[in-house]
Amino acid sequence: SQKIEQNSEALNIQEGKTATLTCNYTNYSPAYLQWYRQDPGRGPVFLLLIRENEKEKRKERLKVTFDTTLKQSLFHITASQPADSATYLCALPSNTGGFKTIFGAGTRLFVKA
Amino acid sequence: DTAVSQTPKYLVTQMGNDKSIKCEQNLGHDTMYWYKQDSKKFLKIMFSYNNKELIINETVPNRFSPKSPDKAHLNLHINSLELGDSAVYFCASSQDLQGGETQYFGPGTRLLVL
Repeated sequence: SQKIEQNSEALNIQEGKTATLTCNYTNYSPAYLQWYRQDPGRGPVFLLLIRENEKEKRKERLKVTFDTTLKQSLFHITASQPADSATYLCALPSNTGGFKTIFGAGTRLFVKA
Repeated sequence: DTAVSQTPKYLVTQMGNDKSIKCEQNLGHDTMYWYKQDSKKFLKIMFSYNNKELIINETVPNRFSPKSPDKAHLNLHINSLELGDSAVYFCASSQDLQGGETQYFGPGTRLLVL
């Protein structure tokens, strides 16, 4: 069955460094992949979508890559700031169709000043 | 202006009670969703409606009944609440059902069943 794996351990980095989060998936070839940000006590907020024919997508300090051979997406935040501290979720369309989105459990990022 | 709003934000109730959560979106979207986020933080789809029509109905106990009076509203009624229903429930909306549509989430309703 379809599986999405994100590093369950929190990622701690120093302000100014680049944070790299990983999303791996199995038993599936999704047409696109999305990244969302979730702050404590709030709903997820959409950040970026990357399609299977795109290797890389950028938005300000964010960069997402999509390697369909490795079945992996990397999410980078350059020049990280304490305000970037949050949980980041990757999301894929369900391989059973039906317009469903499957979310990973997320990786918690802490950026220290 | 709040794009997707939910009420109440917190709900504490006894086992066996019936409760409702309301959701409204002012984005003019055609599609609305209910998700459940459990203590392990997994966000799982429960239901989705498109133009007031039920599209997705996951393996959810029939104690949960969604109702969409119009495109802008999707309410969730829960009968005979159980301890395991304790979770955060998120409402979301998207322009339509096309693949890759951005979903806009509400602030969540924190349900605690005692």
